Formats: sequence, C-alpha cells, structure tokens
Amino acid sequence: EDKVVQSPLSLVVHEGDTVTLNCSYEVTNFRSLLWYKQEKKAPTFLFMLTSSGIEKKSGRLSSILDKKELFSILNITATQTGDSAVYLCAVEALGDKIIFGKGTRLHILP
Amino acid sequence: SQTIHQWPATLVQPVGSPLSLECTVEGTSNPNLYWYRQAAGRGLQLLFYSVGIGQISSEVPQNLSASRPQDRQFILSSKKLLLSDSGFYLCASAFRRRYGYTFGSGTRLTVV
Repeated sequence: EDKVVQSPLSLVVHEGDTVTLNCSYEVTNFRSLLWYKQEKKAPTFLFMLTSSGIEKKSGRLSSILDKKELFSILNITATQTGDSAVYLCAVEALGDKIIFGKGTRLHILP
Repeated sequence: SQTIHQWPATLVQPVGSPLSLECTVEGTSNPNLYWYRQAAGRGLQLLFYSVGIGQISSEVPQNLSASRPQDRQFILSSKKLLLSDSGFYLCASAFRRRYGYTFGSGTRLTVV
C-alpha cells in the first residue's frame, strides 16, 4: 500500500530557530514529491522535487530529495511567526495519484 | 492561470441527507482533478481522482461517489450522509505539473 509518513507530527520552536521537517514514502512508480503549506484553508504549493540531491530554495525555505533512501526534508531557517502552519508532504505516483502525509503542525513562538 | 471554484464554503447537513459538492476549473483544459478530505488534525486523504470526462478512480470505499460530467467540472456526491463524513473537502487540479497542484478553497462539511 502506498504511504507517506511525516515527522514530527507537531513542533514548537522559538522565532529565529531553524527547523527540519521530514517526509518518508513508499509508493509504486514514484514521479515526484511535493511540499505544501496549509494555514487556514487550501494548501499552497512550496516545492516539487523529482531528482535526488538537488536542493530547491525559496527564501528561507529549502528542500531536498533522496530517492535511494525514499525521503525528503524541508528546512526553514530564521523562522518567523508567519511560518506557523501545517506543512504537508505529498507524493505523486504514476497513474496520477497524489498521496499526502498527515502533515507537521509547526508553531513558532514569538 | 488556473483557478478552481469550489462551493459552498461551509455546509451543515443532517445524517441521512444527500450531498452534492461542485468544483469547476478555469484557465485550463483537460486537467486531472482530485477530491480530498481532511479530518480535523489530520492529513489529506485522497477520495477520487479523474483524468478525463467520465473517468473516475476511487481510492477509499465509502458512501461517497464522484462524477465528471464535463471537462472542467468535478462533483462529489452522497445519497445518505454519515456522521463520519464530516470534514474539510478540497478539490484539486493538475495541469502544468511543474507548477504543482492547485487547490480550491475547500468546503467544511458538518454532519449533525
């Protein structure tokens, strides 16, 4: 059965800290891994990763994929209170299925 | 750019009543369309996806069904709602994959 596992499920840190969110997966016919940020309603797209070892960056956020070990990490440096959200990892498989993990709830204390 | 319209935003329905949630997509043609449900404090569970008109794949056996009568329209239905159907329902569309998947604003369904 295809599955995506995120850890930790929740995380509380102080503003300015750096956090690392983890996502491991087992899917048939992997196509890509996606990271989303969900605040109140619909998730917003952060990254799509298809190749191992190539870091994607957007401001203070970065992510990398390891297709051999079947995991990805999302790093957020110099966290701000606006980073508080649920971060979702999803894996896209052949046949156009997209499977989400349960998310990591991140809370940044001022 | 691609836009997803999803309505209603909130819905309170009694147990045993029918359900119809509609999702329409603008700005693209022949997208893949998805219905997800998110229970409180949990991740997104894939319910149905469609790669074309009349083509529906079901991921979770349940009392819900989906239909795609037109290229840019995706409908989630139920004949009789259960309490366990409560949750946040999201419609998503994929066209240009490298831009990720676009989500609608969601419908929060409470079955009472």
